[in-house]
Amino acid sequence: AQSVSQHNHHVILSEAASLELGCNYSYGGTVNLFWYVQYPGQHLQLLLKYFSGDPLVKGIKGFEAEFIKSKFSFNLRKPSVQWSDTAEYFCAVNSPGYQKVTFGTGTKLQVIP
Amino acid sequence: EAGVAQSPRYKIIEKRQSVAFWCNPISGHATLYWYQQILGQGPKLLIQFQNNGVVDDSQLPKDRFSAERLKGVDSTLKIQPAKLEDSAVYLCASSYQGGFTDTQYFGPGTRLTVL
Repeated sequence: AQSVSQHNHHVILSEAASLELGCNYSYGGTVNLFWYVQYPGQHLQLLLKYFSGDPLVKGIKGFEAEFIKSKFSFNLRKPSVQWSDTAEYFCAVNSPGYQKVTFGTGTKLQVIP
Repeated sequence: EAGVAQSPRYKIIEKRQSVAFWCNPISGHATLYWYQQILGQGPKLLIQFQNNGVVDDSQLPKDRFSAERLKGVDSTLKIQPAKLEDSAVYLCASSYQGGFTDTQYFGPGTRLTVL
């Protein structure tokens, strides 16, 4: 079975600070990896995804994530956060052998102006 | 392009009552998903439809939960009877074909409180 771990449950940063949210998955085969974001009062939306190719994936709003296969990791990064990045971030994985998408427990990011 | 629509947005019921949620996916999307998101957890897939057929319902508590997608478009998820532990946000999502690489688009969810 596949699983996803997000070790940071709640992160508080000041504006302009750099962000890195951890995501580790457990599945030995081919995977697709996703980061979803849920802004306050809004629905879940896709931030970025990795299927194959360049392990450094760029998403919307200046976010990027790097797939490191040897570490089973897909950490989310942003060099300088804004107050508007306050949201909950979910890492997710699926695979050809497991089909269904498995989500992590989420990380709540609070950016202080 | 209209997004995934869900109703109601909020529902409060007492335990042992029944409740139903409705979802209308993005037009043209063949695959529809229902997720349960308990507070502090990530979404958990309950059931996946491909057109009007069930692809995966392995995590659906079938003794109390049921879902249908009769015409391959909108869908209804029902809980009967509800338990306290069913309090959660119920998310509907859709994707174009449900393939391995498809992106899922989520609706706003229905927040259910069981008293």
